[in-house]
Amino acid sequence: DSGVTQTPKHLITATGQRVTLRCSPRSGDLSVYWYQQSLDQGLQFLIQYYNGEERAKGNILERFSAQQFPDLHSELNLSSLELGDSALYFCASSPGGGSVSGYTFGSGTRLTVV
Amino acid sequence: GENVEQHPSTLSVQEGDSAVIKCTYSDSASNYFPWYKQELGKRPQLIIDIRSNVGEKKDQRIAVTLNKTAKHFSLHITETQPEDSAVYFCAASQGGKLIFGQGTELSVKP
Repeated sequence: DSGVTQTPKHLITATGQRVTLRCSPRSGDLSVYWYQQSLDQGLQFLIQYYNGEERAKGNILERFSAQQFPDLHSELNLSSLELGDSALYFCASSPGGGSVSGYTFGSGTRLTVV
Repeated sequence: GENVEQHPSTLSVQEGDSAVIKCTYSDSASNYFPWYKQELGKRPQLIIDIRSNVGEKKDQRIAVTLNKTAKHFSLHITETQPEDSAVYFCAASQGGKLIFGQGTELSVKP
């Protein structure tokens, strides 16, 4: 157990729908990062939050949004889903905003859009 | 922004041989370079990392080297075992977030 908790583990939904993925960071970590991993693809950085504030944005689509709550858990919202959004979505956490030592991944949410 | 290139995309070795995976990065300000191992369907797990003030780091059969001037770093696995078979990702830190290479699928044949 890495200490980073992601729910749900699997999600199957139809095109056009909206889903919410949840991540609880490791105890004491303030930063949460979201990554998308499509089939045969690497880990694409989506977005980072630090202590409730957005810190960095990657190649995140406008249909996707995220937030980090006061208890530091984070949610990634995916809307108007398309077949191409099917992927593994990982969240990771680390202790501080400027340091990436101790970057730990959760087990991921496998999203299937049908 | 940072861009990380990783080679080769696939690597097949015989058990007991060594394996080398190479990465280059673009942002000279990057200062932290971890390597992750990902088994099929599982989360990436950190196996070794190196900071920009160090040229080499070893942990048992695994070593990482960094050449800041050339902006490249490499993972070396010696005496490979079948359980080393997985996808390996390099990454570079840019402003507190990690940018990953495309991954190398390592296959160790018994």
